Amino acid sequence: DAGVIQSPRHEVTEMGQEVTLRCKPISGHNSLFWYRQTMMRGLELLIYFNNNVPIDDSGMPEDRFSAKMPNASFSTLKIQPSEPRDSAVYFCASSYTAPGNSPLHFGNGTRLTVT
Amino acid sequence: GQQVMQIPQYQHVQEGEDFTTYCNSSTTLSNIQWYKQRPGGHPVFLIQLVKSGEVKKQKRLTFQFGEAKKNSSLHITATQTTDVGTYFCAGPNNDMRFGAGTRLTVKP
Repeated sequence: DAGVIQSPRHEVTEMGQEVTLRCKPISGHNSLFWYRQTMMRGLELLIYFNNNVPIDDSGMPEDRFSAKMPNASFSTLKIQPSEPRDSAVYFCASSYTAPGNSPLHFGNGTRLTVT
Repeated sequence: GQQVMQIPQYQHVQEGEDFTTYCNSSTTLSNIQWYKQRPGGHPVFLIQLVKSGEVKKQKRLTFQFGEAKKNSSLHITATQTTDVGTYFCAGPNNDMRFGAGTRLTVKP
């Protein structure tokens, strides 16, 4: 079991640029979550998918953020255009069943710095 | 969804002292999960509590689920420096939104 795989581990970009974060969930897991973590706001749920379908995207900050899950083994979180306030660690997590019924497995995160 | 509230936000203890963090919800929880995040790391699942009044132990860690299933606690006996990190609770009632967590620091 390779665990949840995120890429890149670190991303430094300039304000206004497009940023794409990638996630490969654990094979067989039906739910996928994107979180953002900062000192000020803690660990925020941005969006989660169940069986590749977005269920709750109420945590997505604004239209600059978008997430897709084209198949069961891949998801992306895109920020366009990026802003300095988007700097944070972005975590992807997956679970075997619907939220809360089985453990979340987190990836190592992507540390995003927008200058 | 209702977010669970955690207290305290920070706790600094001397190595060997006990530590407790509490999770409270205004609504009944179907279950609750606990996670630990080491500094610079990612949250790691510790345990899930499902039954009213349930108590589970993992070595020096004791987890409890309240009788009304509205609160939970994590107690660490005789803390060690390896216990340093942030402890989070989360529940399905709010789609796995995490509380602010309790950051534990341990002075050797």
